[in-house]
Amino acid sequence: QVQLQESGPGLVKPSETLSLTCTVSGYSISSGYYWGWIRQPPGKGLEWIGNIYYSGTTYYNPSLKSRVTISVDTSKNQFSLKLSSVTAADTAVYYCARVGGSYGNWFDPWGQGTLVTVSS
Amino acid sequence: QSALTQPASVSGSPGQSITISCTGTSSDVGTYNLVSWYQQHPGKAPKLMIYEGSKRPSGVSNRFSGSKSGNTASLTISGLQAEDEADYYCCSYAGSSTFGGVVFGGGTKLTVL
Repeated sequence: QVQLQESGPGLVKPSETLSLTCTVSGYSISSGYYWGWIRQPPGKGLEWIGNIYYSGTTYYNPSLKSRVTISVDTSKNQFSLKLSSVTAADTAVYYCARVGGSYGNWFDPWGQGTLVTVSS
Repeated sequence: QSALTQPASVSGSPGQSITISCTGTSSDVGTYNLVSWYQQHPGKAPKLMIYEGSKRPSGVSNRFSGSKSGNTASLTISGLQAEDEADYYCCSYAGSSTFGGVVFGGGTKLTVL
């Protein structure tokens, strides 16, 4: 079955760029579906960050759009997230997920998540 | 895009039924029947329980059901079991020109007494 796994540094300094990668197994990204990133600050709710198609087409949350870049590497069956100029407010568990629905309106399955802390 | 409104907590006894509400606006929940629901146990990733309002993914118990009335979507869990104790989040397509432009609720903690 489809499995996703996030990886990347767990600690990032303020004003620097957060970089995470999601490795997909059990399904070829090139076969279809959008792939997305969602985050959850400690003790808080979920926030959609953005989605990408294997062709490279991206859609971002307007509130984060100026700082977010999502890219895809089909040869490695991976997609990645970069979030620039981070602050403490970007501290969160970051999840990757497969996106479903004609409007990209549901997420399944999810990766286990990775905690990224922004601190000097 | 504003977050959807969910009650902070609900509770019920084993065997009972509970309903979690998710209130949006005419721009999201009210116009599109594209609400999904996620179950999240502590320290775990969210799990899709309901999508597109009332559809259940394969493997999800039929004790979970979804519905909508006006700007409010609801998740009903019947025959409550101890393992249902978790946080539940609703999510709706927000009707923007952005594919995947979704908004989440703040989450509801379900306690099984």
